[in-house]
Amino acid sequence: AQSVTQLGSHVSVSEGALVLLRCNYSSSVPPYLFWYVQYPNQGLQLLLKYTSAATLVKGINGFEAEFKKSETSFHLTKPSAHMSDAAEYFCAVSGGSQGNLIFGKGTKLSVKP
Amino acid sequence: NAGVTQTPKFQVLKTGQSMTLQCAQDMNHEYMSWYRQDPGMGLRLIHYSVGAGITDQGEVPNGYNVSRSTTEDFPLRLLSAAPSQTSVYFCASSYSGQRYNEQFFGPGTRLTVL
Repeated sequence: AQSVTQLGSHVSVSEGALVLLRCNYSSSVPPYLFWYVQYPNQGLQLLLKYTSAATLVKGINGFEAEFKKSETSFHLTKPSAHMSDAAEYFCAVSGGSQGNLIFGKGTKLSVKP
Repeated sequence: NAGVTQTPKFQVLKTGQSMTLQCAQDMNHEYMSWYRQDPGMGLRLIHYSVGAGITDQGEVPNGYNVSRSTTEDFPLRLLSAAPSQTSVYFCASSYSGQRYNEQFFGPGTRLTVL
C-alpha cells in the first residue's frame, strides 16, 4: 500500500527566503512521486514529478525536489520565495497498477513581504 | 485545447436531490478520475476509468455513480445528496493508467448540500 505524509499544514516564509515543504512517502513498489500546486479557487497544476530517471527533479517556477530513498522523502524546495508562490502544495504518490494518485493532506504556503 | 472542463462551477442542493457533475477532456486521454477535496483531507479518489466502458471504485465511492460511454466524457452522479457530500469535486485525466503519467485537473465544482 502507498501513503504520503506532509509535515506542516501551514508554512510561512518571508519573500526571498528559502522554501522547504516536506513530504515523506510509503510505498510497497518503486514509487512515482508528484508535487502539485493549487492557487486559490483553481484546480491543481503539476510542479514536478519523479519517475526514477534522476533523483534531483527540476520543475516549473524555480521549484525542485530531491528523491531520497533511504529517507523515503521527496521534499520540495525553492531558493527564494516570491509573493506569487503563496498557494497550497500537495505531494502525491502513484499507487496500484492504474496510476491512481494518493495525496498528502497539503501544505499551505504563505509568503510575507 | 480546452484541457479538462467541468460544469457547473458552483451548485447548491437540498438533501435528497440528485444531480450530475459533468467532466470532459479533449486530449484523447484514456484515464479519467474524480476526486473530492475537503479541508485538511487532501484529495481522495472517488471513481476512475481506464477507458470507455470501464470504471472502478476509488477510496470513497459510496453515494456516487459513474459511467464512461465515450473517451471524452466522465460524468459523476449523486443519486441522493447528503450534507456529507458538501465538497469541492475535481475531475482529472491522463494519457493512460500508467503510474508515471501526469494527471491534468479541471477547475473544480464547489457543491453545497443543505
